[in-house]
Amino acid sequence: DAGITQSPRHKVTETGTPVTLRCHQTENHRYMYWYRQDPGHGLRLIHYSYGVKDTDKGEVSDGYSVSRSKTEDFLLTLESATSSQTSVYFCAIKSAEAGLTYNEQFFGPGTRLTVL
Amino acid sequence: AQKVTQAQTEISVVEKEDVTLDCVYETRDTTYYLFWYKQPPSGELVFLIRRNSFDEQNEISGRYSWNFQKSTSSFNFTITASQVVDSAVYFCALSEARGGSQGNLIFGKGTKLSVKP
Repeated sequence: DAGITQSPRHKVTETGTPVTLRCHQTENHRYMYWYRQDPGHGLRLIHYSYGVKDTDKGEVSDGYSVSRSKTEDFLLTLESATSSQTSVYFCAIKSAEAGLTYNEQFFGPGTRLTVL
Repeated sequence: AQKVTQAQTEISVVEKEDVTLDCVYETRDTTYYLFWYKQPPSGELVFLIRRNSFDEQNEISGRYSWNFQKSTSSFNFTITASQVVDSAVYFCALSEARGGSQGNLIFGKGTKLSVKP
């Protein structure tokens, strides 16, 4: 158990409304990630963070922003949700010990977001 | 550019059959990592294995085994004597061996395995 929680676990919202998803970890991992999972596409990286206030874009970052003001929390914001952002969102952490990392990631339980 | 291909979208087998899930990757790096993840119907993503590019030994863990062949850029996953509980979507992934931001994972699109009783 990598100590990752996501909130909310389910959300239904309307087009044009802002939405924020939260990822919380309890083990002080430096790297955190947001993915979306859609049928036929597998997992695609939205944004990632390599430290407090250090973030970068992934493959499908348009329409999303992120913030990391504390090590334990990584927030994903949809400024104005669209139906194409209906998806399951996963947060992940990368485990690293003493500067050594093998790059495997461990995932949170996911958030199912529906944009009507 | 890195790429992972899982050509089998769905596989259906009967319990106790052996099944192999294929994974073919592309990378220009000489050192890299390969991974398999399992996503059961409950939805969570479970890490199964990591393989380093410099270690081509096959690995066996109970009914699971992995065959890594650099010559064909493949990292196939075999389940022996499949069980209903093996029903899941399985993802293969690749990353550069460098740490930091270069170590991001590239996922295949997944193979859905259904094991019928």
